[in-house]
Amino acid sequence: DQQVKQNSPSLSVQEGRISILNCDYTNSMFDYFLWYKKYPAEGPTFLISISSIKDKNEDGRFTVFLNKSAKHLSLHIVPSQPGDSAVYFCAASAKGNTPLVFGKGTRLSVIA
Amino acid sequence: EAGVTQSPTHLIKTRGQQATLRCSSISGHTSVYWYQQALGLGLQFLLWYDEGEERNRGNFPPRFSGRQFPNYSSELNVNALELEDSALYLCASSFLQGVSEAFFGQGTRLTVV
Repeated sequence: DQQVKQNSPSLSVQEGRISILNCDYTNSMFDYFLWYKKYPAEGPTFLISISSIKDKNEDGRFTVFLNKSAKHLSLHIVPSQPGDSAVYFCAASAKGNTPLVFGKGTRLSVIA
Repeated sequence: EAGVTQSPTHLIKTRGQQATLRCSSISGHTSVYWYQQALGLGLQFLLWYDEGEERNRGNFPPRFSGRQFPNYSSELNVNALELEDSALYLCASSFLQGVSEAFFGQGTRLTVV
């Protein structure tokens, strides 16, 4: 049973446009959500997070939106740059003895 | 400040052998997590150690085991290696689980032949 789902395995966007990566979750106990970026042959790098008490968190070109009622979050990248091309993982955690649960990732390609 | 470091970066083993992977966490981080990323799959949770104790374990057989040392570094052991154990093994550390992000190492690429 996959608790964190990223239904789009890949996404292509033109440089300068907006990239929107989506993530759905099923566990209502999740209260902290994170996005990681991963380049080939490297470990995932933390990008941005959001607590369940918020519905939006912004950091430069990156904004994460959380819709608790829909159990859905999204990552917006504006404007997209070629260096943003990577695999993006959505992750979630709940209080207590539970680890970060990751989605399968979405490969973003930003085309110049 | 040094990040999470893993060794070795690459490891080739024969089926049936044992593999030992090592992870040094970020100073001040007490939690260490191990994840497996097999080809085409996401990050599958393996093990979580905090303050030297195993806190949680993913859906993996008992031949996957590990430990955390007093300095919070960690070791993952995989016994009786099978071909499907070939994957990228990622270690991450964090300060407070659930309220802070985990920082990952670069991973160990294990190949079982």
